[in-house]
Amino acid sequence: DGGITQSPKYLFRKEGQNVTLSCEQNLNHDAMYWYRQDPGQGLRLIYYSQIVNDFQKGDIAEGYSVSREKKESFPLTVTSAQKNPTAFYLCASSFPQSRETQYFGPGTRLLVL
Amino acid sequence: AQSVAQPEDQVNVAEGNPLTVKCTYSVSGNPYLFWYVQYPNRGLQFLLKYITGDNLVKGSYGFEAEFNKSQTSFHLKKPSALVSDSALYFCAVRDIGNQFYFGTGTSLTVIP
Repeated sequence: DGGITQSPKYLFRKEGQNVTLSCEQNLNHDAMYWYRQDPGQGLRLIYYSQIVNDFQKGDIAEGYSVSREKKESFPLTVTSAQKNPTAFYLCASSFPQSRETQYFGPGTRLLVL
Repeated sequence: AQSVAQPEDQVNVAEGNPLTVKCTYSVSGNPYLFWYVQYPNRGLQFLLKYITGDNLVKGSYGFEAEFNKSQTSFHLKKPSALVSDSALYFCAVRDIGNQFYFGTGTSLTVIP
């Protein structure tokens, strides 16, 4: 099956702990994105990457980090510096042309213990 | 700066009635506009997009959207609502820098 996978579906973080959310796509997309979704706030962009080994901060990058070592993979690390990490995290990918849509993964819900 | 507004947090409609979910946008240059649907605890699913051409765009599940340049609007419509259409709907615009800007979402409830 083609598509975007995110794992795990649920993730629990302890105080002071870094956690990493996985995002993999086999759609041959160049661009990949991470969003955070909170109730009533829509989607907010954390980081995006348009090509391997390059990424840019979005609107709420503080407390998060990413890497893009492979075209297929764009993992997101939620660091201990992110003081309010409880949210639904969505990964997406797309071709670079402006007319192309994004395709979304199923999401990871992060909860703080 | 690019932005999208969805003025209604909640829309309720009776099953079988037409539905409209509103979206207005602000972009520099040509707008590339999208509608997505989200079911609980799931990712967003693409419904339709406007790139150029006909102002009425048809998409998945019987949805359509009307692009109005003078009113900078891109309202989502469906002639006859189904209970299964109940979900969260997002309007989005894409800029030439490949960023997407999303509205805050509209929760649609179709009442049997």
